Amino acid sequence: DTGVSQDPRHKITKRGQNVTFRCDPISEHNRLYWYRQTLGQGPEFLTYFQNEAQLEKSRLLSDRFSAERPKGSFSTLEIQRTEQGDSAMYLCASSWDFFNSPLHFGNGTRLTVT
Amino acid sequence: KNEVEQSPQNLTAQEGEFITINCSYSVGISALHWLQQHPGGGIVSLFMLSSGKKKHGRLIATINIQEKHSSLHITASHPRDSAVYICAVRPKETSGSRLTFGEGTQLTVNP
Repeated sequence: DTGVSQDPRHKITKRGQNVTFRCDPISEHNRLYWYRQTLGQGPEFLTYFQNEAQLEKSRLLSDRFSAERPKGSFSTLEIQRTEQGDSAMYLCASSWDFFNSPLHFGNGTRLTVT
Repeated sequence: KNEVEQSPQNLTAQEGEFITINCSYSVGISALHWLQQHPGGGIVSLFMLSSGKKKHGRLIATINIQEKHSSLHITASHPRDSAVYICAVRPKETSGSRLTFGEGTQLTVNP
């Protein structure tokens, strides 16, 4: 097992374009999280899945953001009509579904909107 | 005010120095994490603790639940310890394993 992987590592896009990121969690992990991190700040929670069910969404996740985890394995995060303020590192993490299970993070996808 | 506050924001040390990074939080928690983030983004979990003290190699983490405070210590610091160290808490009222993060402490250890 190679840990949590995210693709792509970097994405540069023009304002108004749609982008999609992928996260492959550790295979046995039921829970999958998306976080966003801007420069000089700690990560901020976006959304969380238990298997294929999206159980929680942050107010940060506007209508332009959508996340899916169709088969309870990999997940995608799509941003429609990107804005410059969407430029950030998008981090995925996964864990078991027992209490206080530690999180395992991917290396993130860095998005730059020009 | 953030729920999780770290100090200092930036720390520069000479190789071999003893380093302390502090974390204060304002909510009831079920666990506190110390994480390390290197340039490029990847985050590695160092410790998860809910009471007392944990040690791993040159790293020591302590927590005082009553005072809502935790410290991360690095003994005999080395340039490879240079990274951002992030404190994160799991508030008691949140579901799953969702964490609330501090802003991080940028540590630079010079040879």
